Amino acid sequence: NAGVTQTPKFQVLKTGQSMTLQCAQDMNHNSMYWYRQDPGMGLRLIYYSASEGTTDKGEVPNGYNVSRLNKREFSLRLESAAPSQTSVYFCASSERTGGTGELFFGEGSRLTVL
Amino acid sequence: GNSVTQMEGPVTLSEEAFLTINCTYTATGYPSLFWYVQYPGEGLQLLLKATKADDKGSNKGFEATYRKETTSFHLEKGSVQVSDSAVYFCALSNGQAGTALIFGKGTTLSVSS
Repeated sequence: NAGVTQTPKFQVLKTGQSMTLQCAQDMNHNSMYWYRQDPGMGLRLIYYSASEGTTDKGEVPNGYNVSRLNKREFSLRLESAAPSQTSVYFCASSERTGGTGELFFGEGSRLTVL
Repeated sequence: GNSVTQMEGPVTLSEEAFLTINCTYTATGYPSLFWYVQYPGEGLQLLLKATKADDKGSNKGFEATYRKETTSFHLEKGSVQVSDSAVYFCALSNGQAGTALIFGKGTTLSVSS
């Protein structure tokens, strides 16, 4: 049972390069999320998708774009990477937003921007 | 707005010691409260939750009680093990459709034998 799968797990970029983090879930969840985790800052929401066809900004959306490709997949794109985007990125999914249900997380993608 | 505040870490304990990690929240309405745990090199996973005032969530020997009067959801365990070493996150859901979970900054727990 795969759950939430993120790729790649590690990536090193140079400033100004672009890349896309991929996320797929196999639990038929409606809602998907992208968080970043930084030391001393905890987990901060970048973007989320409450349902297929919708996306909303979270706490720290600047410098990122997202695409909810279909119900299973939710990608995060960095158009022009900056050193401040060095972080560990987590994708998560849940049955729906705003409820009492569990969020299921991927294993994370560690991104370094030089 | 809604927010979650956790005690600063790291918390360092010896095996079999009692653990408390404090969490307080600010929210409108009737939020649900959660504790998530992140073991080294892994993503977060749900540890326990409580969906209304005075509910107690429990799992793996951990407990937390939803206290509306003190807006708190402190995590406790009577006797920690080395395997409990991890980062613990308190989180809040405000129950409104279209909104996402709000996390605290996390508390690192290190247990030595």
